[in-house]
Amino acid sequence: QQPVQSPQAVILREGEDAVINCSSSKALYSVHWYRQKHGEAPIFLMILLKGGEQKGHDKISASFNEKKQQSSLYLTASQLSYSGTYFCGTEKTSGSRLTFGEGTQLTVNP
Amino acid sequence: DTGVSQDPRHKITKRGQNVTFRCDPISEHNRLYWYRQTLGQGPEFLTYFQNEAQLEKSRLLSDRFSAERPKGSFSTLEIQRTEQGDSAMYLCASSLGSGQGSNEQFFGPGTRLTVL
Repeated sequence: QQPVQSPQAVILREGEDAVINCSSSKALYSVHWYRQKHGEAPIFLMILLKGGEQKGHDKISASFNEKKQQSSLYLTASQLSYSGTYFCGTEKTSGSRLTFGEGTQLTVNP
Repeated sequence: DTGVSQDPRHKITKRGQNVTFRCDPISEHNRLYWYRQTLGQGPEFLTYFQNEAQLEKSRLLSDRFSAERPKGSFSTLEIQRTEQGDSAMYLCASSLGSGQGSNEQFFGPGTRLTVL
């Protein structure tokens, strides 16, 4: 079953923060986050394994609440390069298929 | 560049023709996945391999679609008797597939198929 992402779209000014959420009704092994720019392939950002860990690099971080089967992606002090569509992909067992949400379109304006 | 390559990058064909796409994964990656993506949607799973074994096929995949990974390295995806509804971006991804821990999937640039 497809995870639900929210919001569907967000518009920011450079330097503002954003949170993108991903919820699943099924028990998950992991959540993967990707960013995709128009006409390009999805670029891997990070993976969160069950266990409620939080990860981050640079100004992008994410968390995974295993009890709620929810993951959130946090973008702080957004840059123009952050613009794109963000997808979460959920994994039920290690190495299995990813089931992607419909995406969140993020636009960062100067 | 993620290290996953796909060929061709673009394919225009007429309805009813057969097409074949190739994917070369990252060399040490055991798992190879095929996804399809249409405009405004997330990638949709088609099938995946562990080495040369095809482990799962999507129920959405009609029998016009077939995939192989004969030597556990590159993979091909063939679509027979193409239909206009097959027009999409076909994405290949690969992962270590260790069966435990994290299995990041890295995507290739995709093959954009247009069926006229």
